[in-house]
Amino acid sequence: EPEVTQTPSHQVTQMGQEVILRCVPISNHLYFYWYRQILGQKVEFLVSFYNNEISEKSEIFDDQFSVERPDGSNFTLKIRSTKLEDSAMYFCASRVQREQFFGPGTRLTVL
Amino acid sequence: SQQGEEDPQALSIQEGENATMNCSYKTSINNLQWYRQNSGRGLVHLILIRSNEREKHSGRLRVTLDTSKKSSSLLITASRAADTASYFCATGSAVYGNNRLAFGKGNQVVVIP
Repeated sequence: EPEVTQTPSHQVTQMGQEVILRCVPISNHLYFYWYRQILGQKVEFLVSFYNNEISEKSEIFDDQFSVERPDGSNFTLKIRSTKLEDSAMYFCASRVQREQFFGPGTRLTVL
Repeated sequence: SQQGEEDPQALSIQEGENATMNCSYKTSINNLQWYRQNSGRGLVHLILIRSNEREKHSGRLRVTLDTSKKSSSLLITASRAADTASYFCATGSAVYGNNRLAFGKGNQVVVIP
């Protein structure tokens, strides 16, 4: 069964460094998402992407964040200058109909 | 404000028993989805129920939706140790943009073998 994949599974970085989180959505899906989950908290929406552009973003998704679909398969989330509070699980999701299918997540630890 | 607020319960049951968890939300929705998350892992999609549906089944799962009360319930019948996980509801709503899902806090379910 096709699934969303994410790499790396765990990323440790120093505060102020740039990180890129990678996702490969399910191949025939058209809508792509990033969510995050701070430890012990709710899963929060960050951004949605459709037709090669951002379709919606939350208040969390500030100028430090960007997304890109550099080729036909990858979907990336970049954090330009990481802060301690960016430490979280980051989930990529994709859909073609209403169900959103999530990847296994990348655990980002900012030191 | 956040949609999808589960009753914040931790449920501990014996294998073979049924597990029921609830979710309430605040605004009108297009659909409601339930997800399972094993400790520290990704979110597994379980079932979607549309706003014009009242009940839906998938294997051992039964979901109900009461839009007048803005609530949903997830029933897992004949639970197994492998059902031990956190369960989240998430709502899709035009209020928040049809794209985003708004998640609740999750219900932790422990099935004792």
